[in-house]
Amino acid sequence: DTGVSQDPRHKITKRGQNVTFRCDPISEHNRLYWYRQTLGQGPEFLTYFQNEAQLEKSRLLSDRFSAERPKGSFSTLEIQRTEQGDSAMYLCASSLFDVNEKLFFGSGTQLSVL
Amino acid sequence: AQTVTQSQPEMSVQEAETVTLSCTYDTSENNYYLFWYKQPPSRQMILVIRQEAYKQQNATENRFSVNFQKAAKSFSLKISDSQLGDTAMYFCAFMKSRGNQFYFGTGTSLTVIP
Repeated sequence: DTGVSQDPRHKITKRGQNVTFRCDPISEHNRLYWYRQTLGQGPEFLTYFQNEAQLEKSRLLSDRFSAERPKGSFSTLEIQRTEQGDSAMYLCASSLFDVNEKLFFGSGTQLSVL
Repeated sequence: AQTVTQSQPEMSVQEAETVTLSCTYDTSENNYYLFWYKQPPSRQMILVIRQEAYKQQNATENRFSVNFQKAAKSFSLKISDSQLGDTAMYFCAFMKSRGNQFYFGTGTSLTVIP
């Protein structure tokens, strides 16, 4: 068990481009979360999966954002037509729901939109 | 809706001294979990301590302990014998029992001064 891993660690893109991030959760964890964090703020919930099912999306999440978790393993978060306001740290976390309710975070992907 | 408030944006403490970080929350739930997470400059969030609301006994993890006041909806973190490695952002978080998301405060930046 190597913990939650995210790739890439850093992404610089031009406004209007599409970007995709990957998250590999702890293998036995059935829940996977995506959070966004801007400087000086706490993590803001984006969406979460239980196994392969996406059960909730934040109302703040634009239609340009989409997430998948095929086969209930790794997850991808795609942002289409990026805007400068999308610049943030994107955090992935996983947990074993209904067992110990602890979130384990990855190191995050820092997105900069120029 | 659940809210988590951390009213101390920044704090500092001398090495080996004790410091207390404050957190209040608002919820109508009776069963829930409270957490303190630490985010060092490397940015990976790490769980510090966890408290179940139905337990009256305050959680303790080595030098870290909490003062959980359910009626007052207060959940403070005490760090004893502060070490330089404790320098980090600290986030208070809430999750209702069998809930689907964690709610984070805006964080307290703690600096341990040698």
